[in-house]
Amino acid sequence: QKEVEQDPGPLSVPEGAIVSLNCTYSNSAFQYFMWYRQYSRKGPELLMYTYSSGNKEDGRFTAQVDKSSKYISLFIRDSQPSDSATYLCAMSVLGTGNQFYFGTGTSLTVIP
Amino acid sequence: GAVVSQHPSWVICKSGTSVKIECRSLDFQATTMFWYRQFPKQSLMLMATSNEGSKATYEQGVEKDKFLINHASLTLSTLTVTSAHPEDSSFYICSAIIAGADTQYFGPGTRLTVL
Repeated sequence: QKEVEQDPGPLSVPEGAIVSLNCTYSNSAFQYFMWYRQYSRKGPELLMYTYSSGNKEDGRFTAQVDKSSKYISLFIRDSQPSDSATYLCAMSVLGTGNQFYFGTGTSLTVIP
Repeated sequence: GAVVSQHPSWVICKSGTSVKIECRSLDFQATTMFWYRQFPKQSLMLMATSNEGSKATYEQGVEKDKFLINHASLTLSTLTVTSAHPEDSSFYICSAIIAGADTQYFGPGTRLTVL
């Protein structure tokens, strides 16, 4: 079993839709959760990071962590064509510094 | 936010030559840098972890003599692909973490094409 599971998609939605991206994980020691956005032929860009369980909102983006279910989500409201990219989840055990686990990425296309 | 740069952004070389890729943290000191490889439409594949002043730790299956990593300062790590072959053609991405933090900041990537 992989440490982090992420549905690769592809996911295609109309402009303005709410997008839900998800990852599940198996290691209950993970405490630090990140979402990255990667445009084609570019390096990943950090979107959101959260410690432990709960929600964090930043503009149209909301990151949600449910540690009891080992499940994290990224919601995108009012999706735009410019949101079309691959979204990667990542997580680590706090303090280890060197051990990050990435999902395989979900490809999202927002259709105008 | 923290900025990581890579140079060059795209390089084309002949088979058998060596190519050096630089990764710099521009506005922070990075005690640890990572090197990834990414094939089209695939996820990141960690190649090695580089700590300033010490030898890099390579992932299983990555040839340390082929992919030489040097982390000589807190702001610079280099990856040298030695005797490159067409199968080494890929997108190479570095990342860095701020000392004491747990977030990776990625560079823009370097596209290597070996003819």
